[in-house]
Parts: sequence; structure tokens; C-alpha cells
Amino acid sequence: GQNIDQPTEMTATEGAIVQINCTYQTSGFNGLFWYQQHAGEAPTFLSYNVLDGLEEKGRFSSFLSRSKGYSYLLLKELQMKDSASYLCAVRGSNTGGFKTIFGAGTRLFVKA
Amino acid sequence: DGGITQSPKYLFRKEGQNVTLSCEQNLNHDAMYWYRQDPGQGLRLIYYSQIVNDFQKGDIAEGYSVSREKKESFPLTVTSAQKNPTAFYLCASTPGTGIAKNIQYFGAGTRLSVL
Repeated sequence: GQNIDQPTEMTATEGAIVQINCTYQTSGFNGLFWYQQHAGEAPTFLSYNVLDGLEEKGRFSSFLSRSKGYSYLLLKELQMKDSASYLCAVRGSNTGGFKTIFGAGTRLFVKA
Repeated sequence: DGGITQSPKYLFRKEGQNVTLSCEQNLNHDAMYWYRQDPGQGLRLIYYSQIVNDFQKGDIAEGYSVSREKKESFPLTVTSAQKNPTAFYLCASTPGTGIAKNIQYFGAGTRLSVL
């Protein structure tokens, strides 16, 4: 079967660093995505990894290890506005690239 | 500004009633998708369309129907056969070309409840 696992909730302090992990099992792999979703709003794209290694984008970085089926999203210098759900998603390569599997999301609470 | 517009934002359905959720995009994207989001679960794919006049069932298509008569529009009908329709519905599209070809762009969502 195909599934994506990520922690349900995390809490961190403003100004700190937090790492959100994601493990996946999919039939084929053609990219891993991270999206941010504030409560009641649409998900917005954060990052994309297709090769192993770290992708950095301002305060956000994402890491991928394809052999381990593992990714993490690193958020630095946390701000209150970073309180949101973070969705890990994987695109399978055996579906023509038109189906992406989403994890249930990790709700991040940033406290002062 | 380019984007995806979903309407209405909130929708109430009576027993036995069909309701249609609108999704319009002006991003010139070929592929469009409908997802359902329930609390504590990941987004689940209902239907997707790669090009005009073509669409495919996703993982939970039962009780739903779609059409794709125009590139810009991909409406979703929740039929009376869908016995548990209460959820947050998200429409998305992907460029299909270029570096960002598989990044999904989402509408603001429609929250459907049963009266």
C-alpha cells in the first residue's frame, strides 16, 4: 500500500528551530512536496525535492533521502505566523504524474 | 492576478439534494483536481482532469461527478448518493510544464455541510 506518516502535532517556541519529519511508502517516486495550510485556508506550496539532499529557501529547508523514504522540513527563526499545518506529499511515478498522495499533516503551534 | 476561484465558500445540502461546487482558474493550467479534506486525514483525490473533455476517477469518486467542458472550469457535483458529504473540498491545478510542472495550486476551498 501507499502511505505517508508525519507527526500529528508539534509545539515550538518563537525564534527557535523545528524539524517536521515525514516517512513515505509509495509505488514509484517522482518528487516530494511540502505545503503549508493555515486553518480553514488552502494549502500553499513551500518546497520540492526530487533528488537526495537539502533544498534551502529562506527560513525553510527541506531534506530528502529516497533510499530511506524520509524527508524533513526545517523551519528556522520561528514566527507566530508559522503556526499552521504542514503537509507532506509524494508524487508517484507510475500514475502518469497526475496523482499525488498527501499525508494527514502536522499541526505546528508556535508559542511566545 | 492569476489564481483559482472556488465558490461558494460555505454550502449546505439537504437530504437527497445534489449540489455543485464551482472551480475556475485563469492560470492556463491543463490539469485540474478535486480533493476532499476531513479532520485528521490527508487530502483524498476525488476526480482529476488532464485536458478538456477528459477526466478520471480518483480514490473516492463514488457519489461525485465532474465535467470539464472548458479549460478554465472544473465543477464538482456532490450527488445524493454521497452519504457523508460533510467535508472541506479543495480544487487544485498544476502547470504541467516547466520546473514547477507538478506543484499544485489550490483554491480557497468550499466547506460543505449537511442540514
